[in-house]
Amino acid sequence: EAGVAQSPRYKIIEKRQSVAFWCNPISGHATLYWYQQILGQGPKLLIQFQNNGVVDDSQLPKDRFSAERLKGVDSTLKIQPAKLEDSAVYLCASSRGRGSSGNTIYFGEGSWLTVV
Amino acid sequence: GDSVTQMEGPVTLSEEAFLTINCTYTATGYPSLFWYVQYPGEGLQLLLKATKADDKGSNKGFEATYRKETTSFHLEKGSVQVSDSAVYFCALKTSYDKVIFGPGTSLSVIP
Repeated sequence: EAGVAQSPRYKIIEKRQSVAFWCNPISGHATLYWYQQILGQGPKLLIQFQNNGVVDDSQLPKDRFSAERLKGVDSTLKIQPAKLEDSAVYLCASSRGRGSSGNTIYFGEGSWLTVV
Repeated sequence: GDSVTQMEGPVTLSEEAFLTINCTYTATGYPSLFWYVQYPGEGLQLLLKATKADDKGSNKGFEATYRKETTSFHLEKGSVQVSDSAVYFCALKTSYDKVIFGPGTSLSVIP
C-alpha cells in the first residue's frame, strides 16, 4: 500500500512569513498526527485527528499554528507568522485507529522547514 | 502523565559489538510499545513493536521484550553493523491512541 505522503519536502522562508504543509495519510487510516521534530530531539505531538475531529491539540501553538482535516482524509498544517524557533521537521503520521490491529503508526518522510 | 525515558547518547560501538539501548515508560492502562529508527535525512521507520506484557518484538536482528513489572522495553542486538548507525526512538501508544516518543538515542557503529 502507498505510504504517508507529505509535501513540500523542503522549505526555506523568512521569519514572519507563512508556510503550509500537506499530508495524505495511508488509505483507510482514521487517525492522523502532526509532529514537530527539532534537530536532536524526539518528535513532539502538535495535533491528533480522529477522522475530521481534533482529539488532542494541547501542544499546538494556536496563536501561529493551525491545522485542518476537513474531509477526514488529507490534512494541512499552517504556520503564520513563522518564527526562527519553528525551524524543524514536520512529520505527518497515520494509523488505522484503536484496537490491537491498528496500533502501528506510519510516518511520512517529513517536511523540513528552515526559517531565516 | 505518560512519558518515555531513554538512555542518553550518543552511543559509539565497534562493528559486531552487542547493543543495548534502555527504555522505560510511565503510562496508565496498557500501552503498546514501539521502537522507531531514523536514518540521517529520513523520516521515522517502525523497527519493532509489542502490544502486551511479555511480548517480544523482533526485526532485522533487533529484539525488545515488553516488561510490565519493570515498565521497560530495552532494545538489543547481538552484533551491530555500520549500517545500523542511526537514531533510535522508543515510543508508547496509549489506549486512546496518543503516541509519545522518547528523546532518541544516537548510535554510531565504527568499522
